[in-house]
Amino acid sequence: QSVLTQPPSRSGAPGQRVTVSCSGSGSNIGSNYVYWYQQLPGAAPKLLIRRNNQRPSGVPDRFSGSKSDTSASLAINGLRSEDEADYYCAAWDDNLTGYVFGPGTKVTVL
Amino acid sequence: QVQLVESGGGVVQPGRSLRLSCAASGFTFREFGMHWVRQAPGKGLEWVANIWYDGTTKNYAASVKGRFTISRDNSKNTVFVQMNSLRAEDTAVYYCGKSEGHFAEPIESWGQGTLVTVSS
Repeated sequence: QSVLTQPPSRSGAPGQRVTVSCSGSGSNIGSNYVYWYQQLPGAAPKLLIRRNNQRPSGVPDRFSGSKSDTSASLAINGLRSEDEADYYCAAWDDNLTGYVFGPGTKVTVL
Repeated sequence: QVQLVESGGGVVQPGRSLRLSCAASGFTFREFGMHWVRQAPGKGLEWVANIWYDGTTKNYAASVKGRFTISRDNSKNTVFVQMNSLRAEDTAVYYCGKSEGHFAEPIESWGQGTLVTVSS
């Protein structure tokens, strides 16, 4: 089992808003930054959100991140077909002295 | 731009060893921490290990501790992972990643991965 919890899947029609949740504990999300990665089919992961809510250069502003206590959330506004991918949250865990990834959420565009 | 190229993957028998390499370019390698992350077929991402910019500190996932060793050669802009006593459950695509900073900051750039298959 993953230390971080994510829903297995989320879906939405083009143009809709989809959110992906990530739940952890005080030793990871509660005390460290959350990062989000996007993995398109057959490709390597790509950094989507850093430090809870910052978008790296080149990431569309349709993507946004937030964090509250021991949970975090990724929102995709104006869903597009090219957003169909797996999304992973990640955080450092102070107890494990290492990184933990969520199990991933598959986002499907209907 | 940042480029990370993994190599060394292949098919190996259980109990044997393998060393993966990751050649880096496009940034000042000696100033950044590095990571290895793996992904079993059809599964999610699993962090494996990381090493500080100067090689002085290394951290490992519990699943590989005592069997895998991460190292780096800053003169050759390369990070390695030596994998010993390999098991079937180590079968995965192994990605190297460049940290955001000097130490154990998260990955901001990923390589394309190299496949390791542990099978008799």
